Amino acid sequence: GQQVMQIPQYQHVQEGEDFTTYCNSSTTLSNIQWYKQRPGGHPVFLIQLVKSGEVKKQKRLTFQFGEAKKNSSLHITATQTTDVGTYFCAGPFPVRGNAGGTSYGKLTFGQGTILTVHP
Amino acid sequence: EAGVVQSPRYKIIEKKQPVAFWCNPISGHNTLYWYLQNLGQGPELLIRYENEEAVDDSQLPKDRFSAERLKGVDSTLKIQPAELGDSAVYLCASSSWYRGRNTEAFFGQGTRLTVV
Repeated sequence: GQQVMQIPQYQHVQEGEDFTTYCNSSTTLSNIQWYKQRPGGHPVFLIQLVKSGEVKKQKRLTFQFGEAKKNSSLHITATQTTDVGTYFCAGPFPVRGNAGGTSYGKLTFGQGTILTVHP
Repeated sequence: EAGVVQSPRYKIIEKKQPVAFWCNPISGHNTLYWYLQNLGQGPELLIRYENEEAVDDSQLPKDRFSAERLKGVDSTLKIQPAELGDSAVYLCASSSWYRGRNTEAFFGQGTRLTVV
């Protein structure tokens, strides 16, 4: 079936250490999105990657989209306690509609990587 | 601009009782999603609307769950009757189209359902 897998499931780091989470899709994606969910909160969009091999940076966060557009990674440099939360990747999978056409809006999430940062 | 609004925030019901959740998406967003999220898991899609049409409801347990999005704006998700295993957070999200693809999804605060 259509799946998005993330590893690791959990990551505990000391403040200042780096962190990386990996995302793999069962199929080629048109784009991939990353979200962060703080404890007790809701998922909040971080970034979208569209092009094969694309790399984007947001301050200490670096996002990569694989050449085959089936995998992605999020790397945080020098983690801070404010980075605590669960990081999800999500990709739009094709869905055959009731009328027979195909749409690409089924945003499917990975199971997330829970990051804890020890001060 | 107001974000995605969901109500109620919390709901505790006894099993076999009905429950309904309401969602008002961001104005102008034609795509609306209902997700279920269990503790420690990623959001799982229940149903997706494009305007008022449910274009993907393959993961909605139709024997007890129903949803509607009249006039293509706000939406309700209903469970009748609720079971203990339905306890979870129900998230609503919305997005729009840009150049043939959905933009990022904006999530509401969610409704935390506890079935006792």
